[in-house]
Amino acid sequence: SQQGEEDPQALSIQEGENATMNCSYKTSINNLQWYRQNSGRGLVHLILIRSNEREKHSGRLRVTLDTSKKSSSLLITASRAADTASYFCATDANAGNMLTFGGGTRLMVKP
Amino acid sequence: DAGVIQSPRHEVTEMGQEVTLRCKPISGHDYLFWYRQTMMRGLELLIYFNNNVPIDDSGMPEDRFSAKMPNASFSTLKIQPSEPRDSAVYFCASSPSGSREKLFFGSGTQLSVL
Repeated sequence: SQQGEEDPQALSIQEGENATMNCSYKTSINNLQWYRQNSGRGLVHLILIRSNEREKHSGRLRVTLDTSKKSSSLLITASRAADTASYFCATDANAGNMLTFGGGTRLMVKP
Repeated sequence: DAGVIQSPRHEVTEMGQEVTLRCKPISGHDYLFWYRQTMMRGLELLIYFNNNVPIDDSGMPEDRFSAKMPNASFSTLKIQPSEPRDSAVYFCASSPSGSREKLFFGSGTQLSVL
């Protein structure tokens, strides 16, 4: 079963615009991670935010976490065509040592 | 470091045949995970190992699936006999400290069972 659910399922924007993807989850977590997957490739880790953190930045990426609402968002600023990919959130629940992935958001950035 | 290495990259087989997928984790990583990705079910965790020992195999769909890790540098996922519904991309990932830190994924094996 999927712990996290991304919203929207698909997003199409113009180069230079910002892209925001949301993730909701169900149980308490230790951390939440975001991954990127280019077509036909493996997943690449983008950023990890721990349950006691509220916001984290990495380059053009900004991640927020609201544990009271069990939700997270990933913001990509000044998007580029090369950002076209699927983006997944993944949660590390309190029980066990497993990372559970959501269904992903397919982002298309048009040049 | 070459990263997580999976082989083969693509596998096409006929229903009923045995399929073996292989994975070499990053050296020094104590955790190894096998995931399956399909359009319908997304990314599903099948099984994970810690220090070569299987810890949780609750995601393994049926007895037709088995996974081993004979040493720290090699793992296999075997499907016997294979069925068309096993068609998916199978990913191996490794991590130095489980899900508390980031996972490093291989490029995956695209399996097609005809």
